[in-house]
Amino acid sequence: NAGVMQNPRHLVRRRGQEARLRCSPMKGHSHVYWYRQLPEEGLKFMVYLQKENIIDESGMPKERFSAEFPKEGPSILRIQQVVRGDSAAYFCASSHPSDSYNEQFFGPGTRLTVL
Amino acid sequence: AQSVTQLGSHVSVSEGALVLLRCNYSSSVPPYLFWYVQYPNQGLQLLLKYTSAATLVKGINGFEAEFKKSETSFHLTKPSAHMSDAAEYFCAVSEGGGSQGNLIFGKGTKLSVKP
Repeated sequence: NAGVMQNPRHLVRRRGQEARLRCSPMKGHSHVYWYRQLPEEGLKFMVYLQKENIIDESGMPKERFSAEFPKEGPSILRIQQVVRGDSAAYFCASSHPSDSYNEQFFGPGTRLTVL
Repeated sequence: AQSVTQLGSHVSVSEGALVLLRCNYSSSVPPYLFWYVQYPNQGLQLLLKYTSAATLVKGINGFEAEFKKSETSFHLTKPSAHMSDAAEYFCAVSEGGGSQGNLIFGKGTKLSVKP
């Protein structure tokens, strides 16, 4: 049973370009979470999605960031017009809808570098 | 609102010595608590979780943690450190204490193990 998949693992963008980060949850998991990790910091919640629905986006910056989890295909975190401050590791986690304790399984992350 | 504090951003122990990583939480509801480990350039792996079934929780790789409500603590211990334990450790609480929703992470503790 494959774990949470994220791609690309490393992404380099120049200021002003767009970054697209993909996350395929574990089989049977319909809940997806995105977190951002800055150097020397813990993970900060960004957005929580279920299939075709955004449940909680309270951690997402109001501008330039968006996320989706379509009926088919991976979840996408999209960052438009990237700036240097967006450089970070972005982690996706998934959980099973029947899980009672909110156990989240994490992917290996995408490390975004903005030049 | 929930929060997590990890005391000590760096902890260094000798191989074979006791490992103690501290975590205190604040929560207005009975919490679900987690410890994750992160090896360099990798995602987070769940070590153990507290779900109110038992106050002493045993996890993988010989780690365990004790939930102490009176101290609002969930410290992670291992009787004898191994070189392979060198990594960063994160304590987390489930937002709202529920079975869904984002996790709130501490800033992490980097564990070094000296030969």
